[in-house]
Amino acid sequence: DAGVIQSPRHEVTEMGQEVTLRCKPISGHNSLFWYRQTMMRGLELLIYFNNNVPIDDSGMPEDRFSAKMPNASFSTLKIQPSEPRDSAVYFCASSLQGAVGTQYFGPGTRLLVL
Amino acid sequence: GQQLNQSPQSMFIQEGEDVSMNCTSSSIFNTWLWYKQEPGEGPVLLIALYKAGELTSNGRLTAQFGITRKDSFLNISASIPSDVGIYFCAGHREGKLTFGKGTLLTVNP
Repeated sequence: DAGVIQSPRHEVTEMGQEVTLRCKPISGHNSLFWYRQTMMRGLELLIYFNNNVPIDDSGMPEDRFSAKMPNASFSTLKIQPSEPRDSAVYFCASSLQGAVGTQYFGPGTRLLVL
Repeated sequence: GQQLNQSPQSMFIQEGEDVSMNCTSSSIFNTWLWYKQEPGEGPVLLIALYKAGELTSNGRLTAQFGITRKDSFLNISASIPSDVGIYFCAGHREGKLTFGKGTLLTVNP
């Protein structure tokens, strides 16, 4: 079975540009999570969806970040406009039982904002 | 906010040695999880602990859920080169998973 799929795997962009990260959760999983990983702050939860509905977005840094889940098999995390401090690895994870269930992580998108 | 203090930050060991790492918190958690992350990949779940005092093994890995529910440890016995990576603890509480900063493990053959 395919795991969590993320695209692109790497993204290099210039400050001010819009960045869109994509995620396809494991089929049948009803919860999806977006994390950001940096050396300074480690793994941080940005937002999570349950049955396509955002449940907790308290980790979203600011208005430049937005996330959507239009259906059970697709989610996007958008940064507009991007800034150098947004450079990080962004992970998507999915689970079968909401925040309680085991989370399976995708391979991540490595974002570099110049 | 909730914080997990994971130690040590890094370890350099010889192949065959045993390894121990732990996580502590000032908060009580309902579930403790241990993940491993290899370069270029996302974290992969190693062991999940659901009850205070629980001791669980997965091959050469053993983890325990502390009695106070505020700590957990992970032991790796007879380390091998493929054990290299970053090991993260994570605690689940009030619908949120909080991760430690990780322990970077290097195994010298």
